[in-house]
Amino acid sequence: GAVVSQHPSRVICKSGTSVKIECRSLDFQATTMFWYRQFPKKSLMLMATSNEGSKATYEQGVEKDKFLINHASLTLSTLTVTSAHPEDSSFYICSARDQSLQETQYFGPGTRLLVL
Amino acid sequence: RKEVEQDPGPFNVPEGATVAFNCTYSNSASQSFFWYRQDCRKEPKLLMSVYSSGNEDGRFTAQLNRASQYISLLIRDSKLSDSATYLCVVNTNSGNTPLVFGKGTRLSVIA
Repeated sequence: GAVVSQHPSRVICKSGTSVKIECRSLDFQATTMFWYRQFPKKSLMLMATSNEGSKATYEQGVEKDKFLINHASLTLSTLTVTSAHPEDSSFYICSARDQSLQETQYFGPGTRLLVL
Repeated sequence: RKEVEQDPGPFNVPEGATVAFNCTYSNSASQSFFWYRQDCRKEPKLLMSVYSSGNEDGRFTAQLNRASQYISLLIRDSKLSDSATYLCVVNTNSGNTPLVFGKGTRLSVIA
């Protein structure tokens, strides 16, 4: 099946720093990728839709200047959490759609962010 | 009304039991349907797609009732390793719109 990788898998940073998370589709091209966030024991929450070559679409309540998304190629999207604060600590998961497989959506393994 | 609704559970069942999860969706124009499984502290993984004719994969059977806007997942002969959260997922449109996820149903299979 299609594979999506994510890097890093875990990051601990100081408050105020920026953290970049990479999401790659390894064996298919993804014009669209999705970024989710999940707090402990809570459901998955869509943050934004990343479109290759154009601006991302953010969900209501998600600050676009706080969570910068770049989708420069058909296999790579990046999410940068700028000036991270402890409340940004969460599990960030990217997902990409393989449209050749009836629009099945595959998830990366996630990045666990802890902001001290 | 939420787009995709599921009973959050938890469902606590003994090994070997049969358990069924249900899900309803609000958008009658929804086009494709899936069940995902998410283990604790892991990403969701596709369990199976759901077709109008119903489909089976080993111990798992998924069914779709478009008229009632209802999706089900049946797990037979439950194993300890089936313990996870099961997410009902609906694609409301083709193209680049994201899938819509239910909040998930938690299953614990007990020895």
